[in-house]
Amino acid sequence: ETGVTQTPRHLVMGMTNKKSLKCEQHLGHNAMYWYKQSAKKPLELMFVYSLEERVENNSVPSRFSPECPNSSHLFLHLHTLQPEDSALYLCASSQDKGQPQHFGDGTRLSIL
Amino acid sequence: QKEVEQNSGPLSVPEGAIASLNCTYSDRGSQSFFWYRQYSGKSPELIMSIYSNGDKEDGRFTAQLNKASQYVSLLIRDSQPSDSATYLCAVNPLPTNSNSGYALNFGKGTSLLVTP
Repeated sequence: ETGVTQTPRHLVMGMTNKKSLKCEQHLGHNAMYWYKQSAKKPLELMFVYSLEERVENNSVPSRFSPECPNSSHLFLHLHTLQPEDSALYLCASSQDKGQPQHFGDGTRLSIL
Repeated sequence: QKEVEQNSGPLSVPEGAIASLNCTYSDRGSQSFFWYRQYSGKSPELIMSIYSNGDKEDGRFTAQLNKASQYVSLLIRDSQPSDSATYLCAVNPLPTNSNSGYALNFGKGTSLLVTP
């Protein structure tokens, strides 16, 4: 398997649920990213990890919690989400800063 | 505020014509520039990277960069209906005290429609 894979592809959850999004990259890259894409808005960077260390956190609410156990895997743990958190969540990876980022297919998240 | 501006469109061109997509950015120190294509309901797909002033060609695509004018463009020659998508411009700013240098700043995208 190649590229960046994300699971699940679709997720519907209530505001009180806890769920996790998973991302795996098979490109041998050192950096991994979480982005949020909402309608009519640019992609918003949420978190960046380089060699398993978080290097950027763009004022994301604490109900989103990232985890990077190794350079190939990235998780986004979700709890007590709000309806405005409904969006497409995209994982990406790159070899290093300034290098092209390659995206997974995304998780379409709907909060009831 | 580091901004990347694109005309939202839709830009409509006939099949076989040249589509010209434009992007301006506010961070003068930006070093890396990317064009992504995103079909409806799909994730962004990298189509071009450009790092220095001038033109870079790859098949039917040409990226043009002018750092002095803070302007980057994408030309699509011999446009096909399958090119109909949203094109995202992404800019990588220089690292600062508040920016690791990893993030890409994205524009909202330009919707391209190629009509048969």
